[in-house]
Amino acid sequence: AQSVSQHNHHVILSEAASLELGCNYSYGGTVNLFWYVQYPGQHLQLLLKYFSGDPLVKGIKGFEAEFIKSKFSFNLRKPSVQWSDTAEYFCAVMEAAGNKLTFGGGTRVLVKP
Amino acid sequence: DAGITQSPRHKVTETGTPVTLRCHQTENHRYMYWYRQDPGHGLRLIHYSYGVKDTDKGEVSDGYSVSRSKTEDFLLTLESATSSQTSVYFCATGPGEKLFFGSGTQLSVL
Repeated sequence: AQSVSQHNHHVILSEAASLELGCNYSYGGTVNLFWYVQYPGQHLQLLLKYFSGDPLVKGIKGFEAEFIKSKFSFNLRKPSVQWSDTAEYFCAVMEAAGNKLTFGGGTRVLVKP
Repeated sequence: DAGITQSPRHKVTETGTPVTLRCHQTENHRYMYWYRQDPGHGLRLIHYSYGVKDTDKGEVSDGYSVSRSKTEDFLLTLESATSSQTSVYFCATGPGEKLFFGSGTQLSVL
């Protein structure tokens, strides 16, 4: 079974700072990778996903993620955060032939104005 | 947002009582999922369904059962609630590569 690790549980940064959240997964086969975001009091929303092709994927709200197969990693980045990016971010993995998402433990991001 | 409705939104119950949570979708999605969200654990899959009357266990299925008698409804039952089942429960629907989540049910077991 696959598993997902998110290294940082909490991140605090100021507006305009750059953000990078780490995600590593364990699974030997082909996977699809996702980042979801949960704003305070809301349900999860898809930020971006990687299935194949260019390992650098761009999502909504200026987020991007890079898939590094050799490192089993799928890190999320944003060059300049805003206060509205305060949220919890979840990395998730799914076997390419499957239909079940496995989530990481989440990273709470607080952006100070 | 996809048409996903969870009910109730909040529930407080006592240890040992049965509890049923409902997820209703209007998108005619084949797949439906129940997750629980706990601090530090992210979302963990309880059960999922791949069609009417077709269900399977997730990673934390002990103490939970599900039923799906219609495409649009997926019920999660806590057979005898325990304090460890205090959590936020999310329903999701869709093909696995594009899940839509409901607004969640906050369940407290006292």
